[in-house]
Formats: sequence, structure tokens, C-alpha cells
Amino acid sequence: DTEVTQTPKHLVMGMTNKKSLKCEQHMGHRAMYWYKQKAKKPPELMFVYSYEKLSINESVPSRFSPECPNSSLLNLHLHALQPEDSALYLCASSHPSRDRGNTIYFGEGSWLTVV
Amino acid sequence: GQQLNQSPQSMFIQEGEDVSMNCTSSSIFNTWLWYKQDPGEGPVLLIALYKAGELTSNGRLTAQFGITRKDSFLNISASIPSDVGIYFCAGQKVGAGGTSYGKLTFGQGTILTVHP
Repeated sequence: DTEVTQTPKHLVMGMTNKKSLKCEQHMGHRAMYWYKQKAKKPPELMFVYSYEKLSINESVPSRFSPECPNSSLLNLHLHALQPEDSALYLCASSHPSRDRGNTIYFGEGSWLTVV
Repeated sequence: GQQLNQSPQSMFIQEGEDVSMNCTSSSIFNTWLWYKQDPGEGPVLLIALYKAGELTSNGRLTAQFGITRKDSFLNISASIPSDVGIYFCAGQKVGAGGTSYGKLTFGQGTILTVHP
């Protein structure tokens, strides 16, 4: 079972709103990720959490704030976003292995529209 | 940033035809992953390759990890309408100590259209 669950599926928010995207996995994976994807483009890495600690921040603006409450949950807090932040936000997880690399599994994504 | 060259960018084929797409890089990767993405959905892992020269099949899909570790290909045999979507290759490097950084480098995608 390789299931990463994201909520909500769709979110429309104003530029002054505060909202959050949520992600959950129960595969025992210890690395979790946020990616941003524009239409017909490959996903772009935003953040990586490894063993519940932020290990990579790809110079993401501070209006995006990640949080990893525990090894199964990952949140992305959104505040004062811009219309150009509208995109598909993908959560992913993996379990690092010396033999099998770090195979990454994606959730279905949360469609964000900023108005 | 680093990119993978994925080709072709798009393909229009008839149902039943075989499909081939590939990714090349100027640098070495330790893992190659192939994903398929349907409209409005997240990428779904099709095949993962971990060793140079590895050839792996998943149903009608076959993928190979190039000997030089700088390329990979994906073949789809006897295409069907549900094969429609965007196919992404992704390469991953291994960091210090043998563990992976967890960062994927993606190709630009191949858009596949299958006509019944």
C-alpha cells in the first residue's frame, strides 16, 4: 500500500486569507516532501522533512510555512499568497534505503487557486 | 538548475502501437524513476530502477537504467486508451554516507495521446 492522502482536494483562497494544506501517510516513511506543480510542467521541490526535521528548503518564500507534527503528518500553512502561487501542491513520502535509493511516492495533490 | 532531457515532448499514436521515450543527462544518477500523471492527479510511480543496466518490467511497461547511469528509457507495448497522460522521468543522486538526498531531478515530460 503506497498511499499518501492530501486534503483538501481543492482550495480557493483570497490573498489575505490563512489556510493550510494537510498530508498524511501511514507507510512508516520517515521523509516527507512538498512539491509545487504548474500545468504540464514537472513538479518543483519546495521542502523536505527527514525524521520530522526540516532538511531542505528550496528558497521558498516565507508565505509558505511547512510543519511536521509527527512522522505521519505534514502540513503546509499558507498566508498572504499571490495569484501566481495558484498551482497543484503535491505531498510525497519515502523511506531512505542504502540499497533502493529513496523511492518517492506522491499524493493526489491539492489544487490551490489564489484570487 | 540541472535538467534531464526527456524526449519526445509529445506523441500521438494509434491504439495497439508500441511507445518509446527516453531521458538523458550530462551527470550520473543512482536511481531512475518513471511516473505517469493523469490530468488533475498526482504522479503515480510506474517503475523504479536502482542499478546500472537494470531492466525492469511492469505489465506492458519496460524500463532500463543505462549502463553509463546517464540515461533511461521507458517502453509501453500495445498501447491502450488509458495510457493517455504525461510521463515523467526522474533521476536521483546518492548523498554522502550512501543515503539519498531525496531530491529528484525531473524531465520535462512526454505527453502521450492514444487514438482508439
